[in-house]
Amino acid sequence: KQEVTQIPAALSVPEGENLVLNCSFTDSAIYNLQWFRQDPGKGLTSLLLIQSSQREQTSGRLNASLDKSSGRSTLYIAASQPGDSATYLCAVGQSNFGNEKLTFGTGTRLTIIP
Amino acid sequence: ETGVTQTPRHLVMGMTNKKSLKCEQHLGHNAMYWYKQSAKKPLELMFVYNFKEQTENNSVPSRFSPECPNSSHLFLHLHTLQPEDSALYLCASSQDPYQREGYHEQYFGPGTRLTVT
Repeated sequence: KQEVTQIPAALSVPEGENLVLNCSFTDSAIYNLQWFRQDPGKGLTSLLLIQSSQREQTSGRLNASLDKSSGRSTLYIAASQPGDSATYLCAVGQSNFGNEKLTFGTGTRLTIIP
Repeated sequence: ETGVTQTPRHLVMGMTNKKSLKCEQHLGHNAMYWYKQSAKKPLELMFVYNFKEQTENNSVPSRFSPECPNSSHLFLHLHTLQPEDSALYLCASSQDPYQREGYHEQYFGPGTRLTVT
């Protein structure tokens, strides 16, 4: 059974700093890996999706990497801003008899201090 | 309306009530999903529908009854719920997950915050 772990559970950094969020998964037979952002009481916003054949994806100040063989992904946020404060969720996608299933981690709650 | 919408956004119901959650997607997708997000727990997949057919039931109790009348609408009918069912219920949609070369990103709605009293 796939298990996804995100460390740390919470992180506070001063505005302007670069930071890295970590995600690890136990079963390397994945289809893709997705990073989401969730604001308090709200739904999920997809940030980046990395297909299993890719090593990284970039969008603006965000860069996500994937090392499938070691079961790890990182989300790098450059020049952090207070608006980046949110919970960041990592999810791995696997195929199960033709169905696409996402297994989520419990998230990292990020606070950017102005 | 664009993206994935969910109504109501908040719902308080007693254990003997019957209510329904509604999800609608405006993205032309063929697959729709229900997830449950409880405090301190990862999102749990509940149901998957592909082209209106249920393709996944993740051992969900029968007090949760999904309905998918077409590829754009998904309902979750609730009856005789328990307090531990209080959670954020999220709906998502994606393109046909059977397309191996396709783009499988799931798009989420804002969720319904359910409180069972």
